Amino acid sequence: ETGVTQSPTHLIKTRGQQVTLRCSSQSGHNTVSWYQQALGQGPQFIFQYYREEENGRGNFPPRFSGLQFPNYSSELNVNALELDDSALYLCASSLGGLAGETQYFGPGTRLLVL
Amino acid sequence: AQKVTQAQTEISVVEKEDVTLDCVYETRDTTYYLFWYKQPPSGELVFLIRRNSFDEQNEISGRYSWNFQKSTSSFNFTITASQVVDSAVYFCALSETDSWGKLQFGAGTQVVVTP
Repeated sequence: ETGVTQSPTHLIKTRGQQVTLRCSSQSGHNTVSWYQQALGQGPQFIFQYYREEENGRGNFPPRFSGLQFPNYSSELNVNALELDDSALYLCASSLGGLAGETQYFGPGTRLLVL
Repeated sequence: AQKVTQAQTEISVVEKEDVTLDCVYETRDTTYYLFWYKQPPSGELVFLIRRNSFDEQNEISGRYSWNFQKSTSSFNFTITASQVVDSAVYFCALSETDSWGKLQFGAGTQVVVTP
C-alpha cells in the first residue's frame, strides 16, 4: 500500500450538483496531483498542488477546482456536474512538485453522474 | 496530440509465458522521465518502474525487465513467466521537465493471464 487514501470510495450524484473528493497524501510528501480516468482510458491530469499552491493545471474547465491544506491533504471540487464527469478520480502524492518525481496513487473515487 | 502511444489494446497469454508491452513516446525535451504503472481491477495505480532519459541501461528486476531505446523513442516492458496475478491494465507514462510533475499516460494495455 502507498499510504495515500481517498474518500469516498464511491459516489452517485445528479447532473448540476456539486461534489467534493478528498485525498490524504503519503507521510513526508508535500505534493498532490489529481487525475480523471474515464472508462477504458488512461488517466488525464487535472491539476497539482505543491505546498498549498496550484503548481500546474491540465485542460479542465474552471468548475474543477482544488485545495491543499497545511497537512498536505487535498480536496477536488467539481461544480455543475455533467454526465461526462462520470469517472474514476485518482489522487497521487509525491515528494515535491518536480518533473520526474514518482507519484504514488490512492485507490480512487468512482463518481457516477446521473 | 497523444504523447504516449500504447498500440496494444489487449494481450492474452497462458501462465508462464512472457509478455512484452510496447510504449512509444514523443517529446522535444532532452531530459524526461518514463514510468510504468499497473492497474489491477481494484483500480489503484501501482508504480512499477521509472527511468530518466539519460539512463538507457536496460535492467531486470525480478520478473520485470525493460528496454529503453531513445533512438526509437520506445520504452518497452516485459513480464517474464507471467502469473495470473499479473492480469491488469498496464500504463506507460511520460513526465517532461517543463510540465512540473504532470504524468501523461498512454491508453493502457490490458493483460490477461489464464491458468
